[in-house]
Amino acid sequence: AIQMTQSPSSLSASVGDRVTITCRASQDIRNDLDWYQQKPGKAPKLLIYAASSLQNGVPSRFSGSGSGTDFTLTISSLQPEDFATYYCLQAYNYPRAFGQGTKVDIK
Amino acid sequence: QVQLQQWGAGLLKPSETLSLTCAMYGGSFSGYSWNWIRQPPGKGLEWIGEINHSKSTNYSPSLKSRVTISEDTSKNQLYLKLRDVTAADTAVYYCARGVLALRYWGQGTLVTVSS
Repeated sequence: AIQMTQSPSSLSASVGDRVTITCRASQDIRNDLDWYQQKPGKAPKLLIYAASSLQNGVPSRFSGSGSGTDFTLTISSLQPEDFATYYCLQAYNYPRAFGQGTKVDIK
Repeated sequence: QVQLQQWGAGLLKPSETLSLTCAMYGGSFSGYSWNWIRQPPGKGLEWIGEINHSKSTNYSPSLKSRVTISEDTSKNQLYLKLRDVTAADTAVYYCARGVLALRYWGQGTLVTVSS
């Protein structure tokens, strides 16, 4: 089974900061990777699919890049509503696998 | 507007069977992949399995021996059954619909396993 390793597991940042979260797959998954945002007590929300495609309605400050084994989620200018936990998910094969999550909190 | 509404028993005893239902309103049920995901308290997301548009199922190897995912397209409903539960199965359970990605999620159902 493919393993997904996210880093960092947590980070502290200020409003306006540029934030980068990485996800590494244990084998080539082409571009079959999605990013989700989850706020406390809420269901996850799709941000990015197919590594770099922005889901409808998601602000353009979110972007995704990468292919193969290394992927990045970038928030260009962190906003107050972006403090949350972020997960990657490999959609290349079965079983699907999430990264362990990255919690973004206020510095 | 697609909405997913979940329900099921929230408190189980060890060895009982977890049963959850996810109903879709406002969209198409057929032609999509329907997934169950769970999240233990304070922990990350775990993929449980899916039933796809071909009505084939795929499961997490760690749960495969105990889990069944099924659907009733006439009712626009998805089901999860997890047999022989233990305290380790305590989690919030989510249903989610997707093709390329999981675009729509249920509200989550907390299931607690305790004697």
